[in-house]
Amino acid sequence: GEDVEQSLFLSVREGDSSVINCTYTDSSSTYLYWYKQEPGAGLQLLTYIFSNMDMKQDQRLTVLLNKKDKHLSLRIADTQTGDSAIYFCAEGVSGGYNKLIFGAGTRLAVHP
Amino acid sequence: GAVVSQHPSWVICKSGTSVKIECRSLDFQATTMFWYRQFPKQSLMLMATSNEGSKATYEQGVEKDKFLINHASLTLSTLTVTSAHPEDSSFYICSAKVQGRMNTEAFFGQGTRLTVV
Repeated sequence: GEDVEQSLFLSVREGDSSVINCTYTDSSSTYLYWYKQEPGAGLQLLTYIFSNMDMKQDQRLTVLLNKKDKHLSLRIADTQTGDSAIYFCAEGVSGGYNKLIFGAGTRLAVHP
Repeated sequence: GAVVSQHPSWVICKSGTSVKIECRSLDFQATTMFWYRQFPKQSLMLMATSNEGSKATYEQGVEKDKFLINHASLTLSTLTVTSAHPEDSSFYICSAKVQGRMNTEAFFGQGTRLTVV
């Protein structure tokens, strides 16, 4: 079945880079996503990558995709305190209504 | 653009009563909306897929008679938690896909926190 796994917690110093990792199981996923959730709020789409790409960069965000290993990572450069949040990796499951399967979320804590 | 609004943001209800949560796409048409449930410090679990004008598709283990979904128009889907119990307390989030657009993005509402006492 479909499954998405990610580490639960990451702590970084302000100004350093953060790398959040994710593994997924559905090799037919067309798109893979990174969402950000701040306390008590909904989800904000940060970025997504098409499955035939290896890398996508968007300002401070870099997404790397290793399709062979079904491994996805999100790198945040120059991490700021405002980046503290929960980051969810999600795979778009093909067929039907293209539902999203989410990982458990990685809580990023940025300290001075 | 592409704003999804949920109402209410939070609700407290008595055990045994029913609660309705609305999910609206404010500036686009959404033929498909998704309802998720999120427990504290856990991931989002897809409950059901809501399709305008037809019955919702429920995920395995989700009671369709308990969580009633109605998608009566292209901009509104509702989730009714019937005969609510304390274990139904959770954060409920909806998302919507833009009609006619490939699934590159699903827009999420801000969520509704339900507390059943």
